[in-house]
Amino acid sequence: RKEVEQDPGPFNVPEGATVAFNCTYSNSASQSFFWYRQDCRKEPKLLMSVYSSGNEDGRFTAQLNRASQYISLLIRDSKLSDSATYLCVVSLTSNTGKLIFGQGTTLQVKP
Amino acid sequence: ETGVTQSPTHLIKTRGQQVTLRCSSQSGHNTVSWYQQALGQGPQFIFQYYREEENGRGNFPPRFSGLQFPNYSSELNVNALELDDSALYLCASSSGTGKNIQYFGAGTRLSVL
Repeated sequence: RKEVEQDPGPFNVPEGATVAFNCTYSNSASQSFFWYRQDCRKEPKLLMSVYSSGNEDGRFTAQLNRASQYISLLIRDSKLSDSATYLCVVSLTSNTGKLIFGQGTTLQVKP
Repeated sequence: ETGVTQSPTHLIKTRGQQVTLRCSSQSGHNTVSWYQQALGQGPQFIFQYYREEENGRGNFPPRFSGLQFPNYSSELNVNALELDDSALYLCASSSGTGKNIQYFGAGTRLSVL
């Protein structure tokens, strides 16, 4: 079983749509959770950290369910510029240590 | 931008050769991690350096080695290159505190022929 699992997609949605991505992680001792965004042939960039209470940044909402070991990302009012690969990321430790990445979910927003 | 710089941006080598990749961390960061990303996959952890000491290693053979310097910049060395080593190599720096947020450089794209 992979440590972090995501549906690779692709998700093809029209502009203005709401789209949700999910991921699951296998290690219940995981401490930190993130969504990174990666454009084609570029480096991953931090989109947002994910907290148990849920957090929102503009059109983006992230949720963490520790009991189910499940992380979600909701994008509202999709823009063409949201087209990218979204990586679900987990860290077993705070402060230092490796990041464990899912395979990534590809989103294509069409006009 | 993240302030993490990597060199070179692209590299072509032949099987059996050796390569050194370089990374300068963001100002104030003492932790550098290296990742390998194959096409269509998420990045895979190679190893991490914290204050010049190795602080964890992923499932990579010993021919992958590294170093961190007193200014916290880092090198990744790969010996006896194999075709499967062709990938994007990413360096990430972090402060060593907080929630382990890591900031990535633009990567080095290595092709092994």
